[in-house]
Amino acid sequence: GAVVSQHPSRVICKSGTSVKIECRSLDFQATTMFWYRQFPKQSLMLMATSNEGSKATYEQGVEKDKFLINHASLTLSTLTVTSAHPEDSSFYICSAAGHLNTEAFFGQGTRLTVV
Amino acid sequence: AQSVTQLGSHVSVSEGALVLLRCNYSSSVPPYLFWYVQYPNQGLQLLLKYTTGATLVKGINGFEAEFKKSETSFHLTKPSAHMSDAAEYFCAVGSNDYKLSFGAGTTVTVRA
Repeated sequence: GAVVSQHPSRVICKSGTSVKIECRSLDFQATTMFWYRQFPKQSLMLMATSNEGSKATYEQGVEKDKFLINHASLTLSTLTVTSAHPEDSSFYICSAAGHLNTEAFFGQGTRLTVV
Repeated sequence: AQSVTQLGSHVSVSEGALVLLRCNYSSSVPPYLFWYVQYPNQGLQLLLKYTTGATLVKGINGFEAEFKKSETSFHLTKPSAHMSDAAEYFCAVGSNDYKLSFGAGTTVTVRA
């Protein structure tokens, strides 16, 4: 299957700082990327959908000014958690799909801890 | 709108016994159905998927699932559990827009 790489796998940051997470499709062009959040012992919840070259579409209840998503190329999307607080600590997972795919492929996830 | 219900948040089986994880879905369009496995602090690994065609789908590690439209179900089975099957399992429903709705997950423990 196609490979999606997410970086970093773990990050610890201080409260009030910003953190950027990258999601790259390594061997295909990802026209659409998704960002999910998973709290401990819970399921994945879709945060936003991004299409290359256009603004992301956020799910209800997700603050777009706090979770900045950029999908500037067909192989890279970034999620920036701005002014992070402890309640933003979570596991963030991206997925990516291209026109020829029947499914989206998941990255390895990023464990964010805000202290 | 699409949604998934996984019956049973925790399943415990003996090594060598049948594994059965239940998943029911709701979808207003023909569904794409997926089963993923997640090990602690790791991403999702696709076990199998149904998009179209044969309703009995075989996946990796000996898992299989059957799409039953009349029952809106997509239950996951494995004839003989192995210790390495202990993990979290997620059923998901989507369509051709690649967006997925996940069930709450089922934790599988395997007893020696």
